[in-house]
Amino acid sequence: AQSVAQPEDQVNVAEGNPLTVKCTYSVSGNPYLFWYVQYPNRGLQFLLKYITGDNLVKGSYGFEAEFNKSQTSFHLKKPSALVSDSALYFCAVRDIGDSNYQLIWGAGTKLIIKP
Amino acid sequence: DGGITQSPKYLFRKEGQNVTLSCEQNLNHDAMYWYRQDPGQGLRLIYYSQIVNDFQKGDIAEGYSVSREKKESFPLTVTSAQKNPTAFYLCASSARTGGTNYGYTFGSGTRLTVV
Repeated sequence: AQSVAQPEDQVNVAEGNPLTVKCTYSVSGNPYLFWYVQYPNRGLQFLLKYITGDNLVKGSYGFEAEFNKSQTSFHLKKPSALVSDSALYFCAVRDIGDSNYQLIWGAGTKLIIKP
Repeated sequence: DGGITQSPKYLFRKEGQNVTLSCEQNLNHDAMYWYRQDPGQGLRLIYYSQIVNDFQKGDIAEGYSVSREKKESFPLTVTSAQKNPTAFYLCASSARTGGTNYGYTFGSGTRLTVV
């Protein structure tokens, strides 16, 4: 069965420091991987995706993520955090061979950036 | 601009009432989804539809109903059988074939409160 784990409910980072939000996944085949961000009382916004190709994916707002097949991970990173990055972050996966085309979602990680 | 629209933004329901949440998309997406989100929590799938006139139950379908009479529309009815409906409801859509996105597009959500 497909699954996604975000092991940290909350991550606290000081403004200006690098940030990492962790995600590991389990699929039977090859994965499509996604990161989304949710601000309070809003829908989820797409940040970045890994479909194929370069393992380092760059996305919106200066975020990037590295696909690591051997560790089945897709951690979200940013070199220098901003207070405005504070939000709820979701990782999602889809098995390329899954005919349902559904995304499987992690539980979310609350990112708090302190000034 | 293409997008997905949820209405209303806020909805209040009295005990024993049915209420319907609207979700409309002009992205020409085949698949549509309804999720429930409780405070500080992740996404739980209520119903999804991959084609017109067909839909499947998700993980928490009890007390909810949907219809998919048009490709663009996927309304969710919260029935009186749903005993704890207060939550944030998110609608999403995705393409099933082709394209370069492979992910979901979300609406801005409806916050339902029982009064």
